[in-house]
Amino acid sequence: GDSVTQMEGPVTLSEEAFLTINCTYTATGYPSLFWYVQYPGEGLQLLLKATKADDKGSNKGFEATYRKETTSFHLEKGSVQVSDSAVYFCALSDQAGGGADGLTFGKGTHLIIQP
Amino acid sequence: GAGVSQSPRYKVAKRGQDVALRCDPISGHVSLFWYQQALGQGPEFLTYFQNEAQLDKSGLPSDRFFAERPEGSVSTLKIQRTQQEDSAVYLCASSPGEISDTQYFGPGTRLTVL
Repeated sequence: GDSVTQMEGPVTLSEEAFLTINCTYTATGYPSLFWYVQYPGEGLQLLLKATKADDKGSNKGFEATYRKETTSFHLEKGSVQVSDSAVYFCALSDQAGGGADGLTFGKGTHLIIQP
Repeated sequence: GAGVSQSPRYKVAKRGQDVALRCDPISGHVSLFWYQQALGQGPEFLTYFQNEAQLDKSGLPSDRFFAERPEGSVSTLKIQRTQQEDSAVYLCASSPGEISDTQYFGPGTRLTVL
């Protein structure tokens, strides 16, 4: 079945550091890929998405590129801020490939940015 | 505008009790999803509705779990004879149309079974 693997946390960085959170996936078809973020005390919200190979999703300074050859969708940001502290979830949708109709999520990566 | 709302936000149940969790999706959204999120884990898909039709219930863990959306708007997730392993946050999400549309999540209901 479909699965998403993302790096274990917590990840602790200093403000203005470069961020990479790794995400790889296994899917039957050609999934759409997502990064969701959960800020403290808030619900899950979409950060960015990509629907086909080589697409780059971007939002709020974050970027991720859909790499079919390495089945990856790594999240990057050039200079993190304290306000980026949150839990980040990589997810896929593979309904077209015969997967379940919902999203398949990774376990989440807790990011802590220190001033 | 109003987002997805869920009630109650917190529920404590004794083992063996039945519970009902409510989800109010964004008005006009066709698709509605339920997920279960255990502590320290990512959400896991439970079931999917397109309007009032339950098109996928492959993620429901047992026949004690039942979901409905009778008028294609509000949805209820019911858990019968709750067990301790049912303790989790239950998330509801809605999307405007197709399954691949962006899903908008509610704040969740935290269920604790004692």
